Amino acid sequence: GPKVLQIPSHQIIDMGQMVTLNCDPVSNHLYFYWYKQILGQQMEFLVNFYNGKVMEKSKLFKDQFSVERPDGSYFTLKIQPTALEDSAVYFCASSPSGAGTEVFFGKGTRLTVV
Amino acid sequence: QQQVRQSPQSLTVWEGETAILNCSYENSAFDYFPWYQQFPGEGPALLISILSVSDKKEDGRFTIFFNKREKKLSLHIADSQPGDSATYFCAASFLPGTGSNRLTFGKGTKFSLIP
Repeated sequence: GPKVLQIPSHQIIDMGQMVTLNCDPVSNHLYFYWYKQILGQQMEFLVNFYNGKVMEKSKLFKDQFSVERPDGSYFTLKIQPTALEDSAVYFCASSPSGAGTEVFFGKGTRLTVV
Repeated sequence: QQQVRQSPQSLTVWEGETAILNCSYENSAFDYFPWYQQFPGEGPALLISILSVSDKKEDGRFTIFFNKREKKLSLHIADSQPGDSATYFCAASFLPGTGSNRLTFGKGTKFSLIP
């Protein structure tokens, strides 16, 4: 089936440094998402991106977070600066249309902030 | 406030048995309820979903029963197989044009078979 690719699979970074998580969504999908999962617990919505803009973000999407998708390239989540509580698995997802349609998830990037 | 609740937290059954995973939600405006299956080290993958206009959805060995009045639903896994061992997440969202695009997930049920 359709694949969402995430790079890297694991990243270790010093607290206070910047990190960029990369995602290659399913081609022809229009909606992109980032979710955060801590210790195998529930997935928490971070942000929804469509048509070059943030459509919706949660309280977890702190001011230190930003997303973008320059034409034809990765959909990225940047955290600057990182904090210890940012350690989690970050899942990128995409869907062909909005609410009520299948959302495809990547395998996640495990971020460890030390 | 936990918008989507799941029980039990973990469930173990014998191979061939039917497993029942429960889910309830708070927001009566939720209209779309997908169940996601997640294996260790993988992302969640859609297993089966239901819209609030239906009370039952079947796909092979997997069936969702939905009770809108009580804001409850359940996933039944018939003839449980070793390959079904995974964590199952119940999620909820709104339909297009009625609210946001976000999926709200429960905490998951870790399902396994007795070896």
